Amino acid sequence: KAGVTQTPRYLIKTRGQQVTLSCSPISGHRSVSWYQQTPGQGLQFLFEYFSETQRNKGNFPGRFSGRQFSNSRSEMNVSTLELGDSALYLCASSSFTSGSYNEQFFGPGTRLTVL
Amino acid sequence: AQSVSQHNHHVILSEAASLELGCNYSYGGTVNLFWYVQYPGQHLQLLLKYFSGDPLVKGIKGFEAEFIKSKFSFNLRKPSVQWSDTAEYFCAVIPRGASKIIFGSGTRLSIRP
Repeated sequence: KAGVTQTPRYLIKTRGQQVTLSCSPISGHRSVSWYQQTPGQGLQFLFEYFSETQRNKGNFPGRFSGRQFSNSRSEMNVSTLELGDSALYLCASSSFTSGSYNEQFFGPGTRLTVL
Repeated sequence: AQSVSQHNHHVILSEAASLELGCNYSYGGTVNLFWYVQYPGQHLQLLLKYFSGDPLVKGIKGFEAEFIKSKFSFNLRKPSVQWSDTAEYFCAVIPRGASKIIFGSGTRLSIRP
């Protein structure tokens, strides 16, 4: 099985712009989660989608949004970029068996730099 | 609120030293437990997991972890570390039936050659 893929791998934007990141989960996985990773804050949970519905949301401002498509692919959008949004954005997919989540499989991440 | 604590933020060891990284969680019910590793420049990958059964779990690269329910702990161990173990290690918990995985803040492991 192919792993989780994320595009693009690197992005450079300027303050005020908006950006869309894409994630393709492992085939058959219906849960997709997004994380922001920075050296100072560690791994911060953004949100999780399951079958096109947002099921969990972290403590991020409304500038951060996402969606999931019927094929389980997911996109994350950040509007009005700020310098502090510079980070590695990770996507993870997971299967769901017998009422319980299995381990998450992570993609390589998108490195976003805001100038 | 449910949380995962990794008290050691940065651990520095010499090669061949023994390793134990602490992980404690706050949730009274049944949980699934994980340790992930992120090597420099690489993406997060699963080291080992515990769902049920033998509380001593063996993972890849000689790592193991022990689930102690009474202590709400899932500490990661390795008897003899190598320079290639330099990485960041994350403990994670999913309360059984929940839809959200909770990660600890991570422990950076540096190995002196």
